[in-house]
Formats: sequence, C-alpha cells, structure tokens
Amino acid sequence: QKEVEQNSGPLSVPEGAIASLNCTYSDRGSQSFFWYRQYSGKSPELIMFIYSNGDKEDGRFTAQLNKASQYVSLLIRDSQPSDSATYLCAVHTGRRALTFGSGTRLQVQP
Amino acid sequence: DGGITQSPKYLFRKEGQNVTLSCEQNLNHDAMYWYRQDPGQGLRLIYYSQIVNDFQKGDIAEGYSVSREKKESFPLTVTSAQKNPTAFYLCASSQSRYSRLKAFFGQGTRLTVV
Repeated sequence: QKEVEQNSGPLSVPEGAIASLNCTYSDRGSQSFFWYRQYSGKSPELIMFIYSNGDKEDGRFTAQLNKASQYVSLLIRDSQPSDSATYLCAVHTGRRALTFGSGTRLQVQP
Repeated sequence: DGGITQSPKYLFRKEGQNVTLSCEQNLNHDAMYWYRQDPGQGLRLIYYSQIVNDFQKGDIAEGYSVSREKKESFPLTVTSAQKNPTAFYLCASSQSRYSRLKAFFGQGTRLTVV
C-alpha cells in the first residue's frame, strides 16, 4: 500500500463548478497535510495546509481533514480554467520529509 | 528577493558522466531536500538535510550524493551509478523539523541523458 494515494484523474469539471480532490494516507501518526499545485513543466506551489480535523478555508480553497478515516480533501469553489493543473497531496508521516502522492490532474472546461 | 534557486534549468548528461545540480536558498531555512519527479509521477525523496554537515538518505538515494557544507547550499551529484537519471529534479527547503514542514520549492532542473 502506498503511503499517500490519490486518483490520477483527469478530473474534469465545468467552469464555475466545485472541484473535489481526495487523498488517503496510511500512517495514523501523520501530523501535517499539504496541497501543492503544479502546472505542467513547473515546480509545485504550496496552496493549502491543515493540521487539525475539520475544515480550513482560504479564498476559493477549502482543505478538509478527517484523521479517523485517514483522508484529506481539497475543494476548489468557482473553478476557473487557470485552476487546471496537477494537485499533489503531501503528508508529514513522522519521517523528516514530506511524502507525496502521485497527484490528480484537474481540467476545468470553459 | 527571498527564495530557492536551482541551476541549471536544463542539463544534459552523457553516459558515464557525473553531473552536479545546484540548490541555493536565502530563506535562512535549516532543512533542505531533494526530490525526483518522473513523467506522470509524484515526488520521490532522494536526500534530505536538517542541519549543516548532516544529511540522510531518502527512498531512492542509490546513484546520488549530496553535501551540506553551508546552510544555504545543498548540491546534488548524479553519479554514473544512477542508471536512469533522466527526470525533473526539485530542491525544497523548510524552516525546521519543528515548523510542521511547510516546504517551498525551487524551479527545478530537468536532466536528460544523451
């Protein structure tokens, strides 16, 4: 079992819709959870982080964490074509570096 | 401007050649990391360093070497022992192991074997 799992997609949503991206992790001791956005050919950019159960909102982005079920999700409201990218989930599993999922490719259709 | 600078942006390696990728940060971060990304894949950890003069192997360290002689610099050498080095290499840094590991990335180096 991979430490951090994501559906590779592509996830296709129409412009203005809510995009929902999901991530599961295997280590129950995981403490910190991050979402990175990566445009094609570019490096990852940190867009959200969450440490406690519940929701955390920042503009159009909401991160949700459920430690009991070992999943973390990212909601993007009012999706725009510029949101089309690969979204990487990263987890601090207790080792000294982040562990990344393989990413979900999001396509927002105009 | 504060940030992480990787150079070169593109690098071509001949068979049997060692090459070194540069990573410099002026964020005063203690921890630095090297990841490798293959097409359509996530990031895999090569090496990391929490403090000057100390570094640890990650999941795919074979064929790579690093040094951490200065806080701001963490170069990665891809040796001839790395049989499939063509990939996108990403350097990252974070304030410390106690800062909940918010890691920030450089712009990457794309290495191709010719």
